[in-house]
Amino acid sequence: NAGVTQTPKFRVLKTGQSMTLLCAQDMNHEYMYWYRQDPGMGLRLIHYSVGEGTTAKGEVPDGYNVSRLKKQNFLLGLESAAPSQTSVYFCASSTRDRGNQPQHFGDGTRLSIL
Amino acid sequence: AQTVTQSQPEMSVQEAETVTLSCTYDTSESDYYLFWYKQPPSRQMILVIRQEAYKQQNATENRFSVNFQKAAKSFSLKISDSQLGDAAMYFCAYRFRNKFYFGSGTKLNVKP
Repeated sequence: NAGVTQTPKFRVLKTGQSMTLLCAQDMNHEYMYWYRQDPGMGLRLIHYSVGEGTTAKGEVPDGYNVSRLKKQNFLLGLESAAPSQTSVYFCASSTRDRGNQPQHFGDGTRLSIL
Repeated sequence: AQTVTQSQPEMSVQEAETVTLSCTYDTSESDYYLFWYKQPPSRQMILVIRQEAYKQQNATENRFSVNFQKAAKSFSLKISDSQLGDAAMYFCAYRFRNKFYFGSGTKLNVKP
């Protein structure tokens, strides 16, 4: 039972490069989320999706794009990486049906922009 | 807007003793859910305990319990008989419908 899987786990980019982070979940969850975690700031929501084909902006969406073409996958893209995007990125998913259900998290992606 | 505040950036506790981590939140909603997550150095986010706002009874999970004060919008976590493995970052989270809001975290140190 894999749960939420993030790819890659580590990546180093140069300023201006682009990349895509992949999140896959096998729990048939409707909701998926991308967060960034920076020291002293907890988790900040970048974008989220309430279903296949739908996405919405979170708290810190600038510089990122997302897509959810399949229910099980949620992609986070950086079109032109900037040093301010150096962070640990977490993907999470949750079910729609019961509000007391928590989010399930991937193991995170550590991204460094030089 | 919903906000979650953890006012203790770092705390220490002696092994086998009890520690309480604080969390307050701001909301105008009445039906919501609260969670505590643990993040050890491995970076995994692990659910510790959950509380439904409509329940008056405080949730407990083995050595972990909460003090939920709905009127005060307070949701503190008590860890009894602290163990070395409890050392981690702890995050308080609030869920309303499809959105989750997290506090900035409390780093818990456990001294042998």
